[in-house]
Amino acid sequence: GNSVTQMEGPVTLSEEAFLTINCTYTATGYPSLFWYVQYPGEGLQLLLKATKADDKGSNKGFEATYRKETTSFHLEKGSVQVSDSAVYFCALSASGGSNYKLTFGKGTLLTVNP
Amino acid sequence: NAGVMQNPRHLVRRRGQEARLRCSPMKGHSHVYWYRQLPEEGLKFMVYLQKENIIDESGMPKERFSAEFPKEGPSILRIQQVVRGDSAAYFCASSPAGTRGEQYFGPGTRLTVT
Repeated sequence: GNSVTQMEGPVTLSEEAFLTINCTYTATGYPSLFWYVQYPGEGLQLLLKATKADDKGSNKGFEATYRKETTSFHLEKGSVQVSDSAVYFCALSASGGSNYKLTFGKGTLLTVNP
Repeated sequence: NAGVMQNPRHLVRRRGQEARLRCSPMKGHSHVYWYRQLPEEGLKFMVYLQKENIIDESGMPKERFSAEFPKEGPSILRIQQVVRGDSAAYFCASSPAGTRGEQYFGPGTRLTVT
């Protein structure tokens, strides 16, 4: 079946540090890939997405590139801010009839200190 | 535009009682999804509903769990005769038609079974 594995947290960084959160997936066909973010006390929000190989999703300074050869979708940001502190979830939706169904990784807690 | 609303945010039930979780989708969204997050796990798909129809309930336990999305009113996830293993965060998401994987999440209901 489909699965997503993302780097275990928690991750603690200083403001303006570089961020990478690793994510790899297992799926047949051509899934779409997503990063969702959950701020304290809120629901998950879509951060960025990519729908085909070599696509780069970007939003709010975050980027991730769909790498089919390594089945990866690592999240990066060049300079994190305190306001980026949140839980980050990597997810996929499979190709085919069940493409509405999201498969999530366990989430990575990021804390950014001033 | 109000987001996805879930209530209650916290629910405590004794073993054997019933739990009812409510979800109001975003305005204009006719697709609702329920996910469950057990401790130390990622979100797991439970059920996908459209108005008055269950489209896919493959992730929902066969016994004690049911879901509905009536023509009028919120979607309801109902858990009968709760057990300690049902303690989890339950997230509802909604989407308009045709937005593969792009779902808007509520803040979740945290169910604790004592």
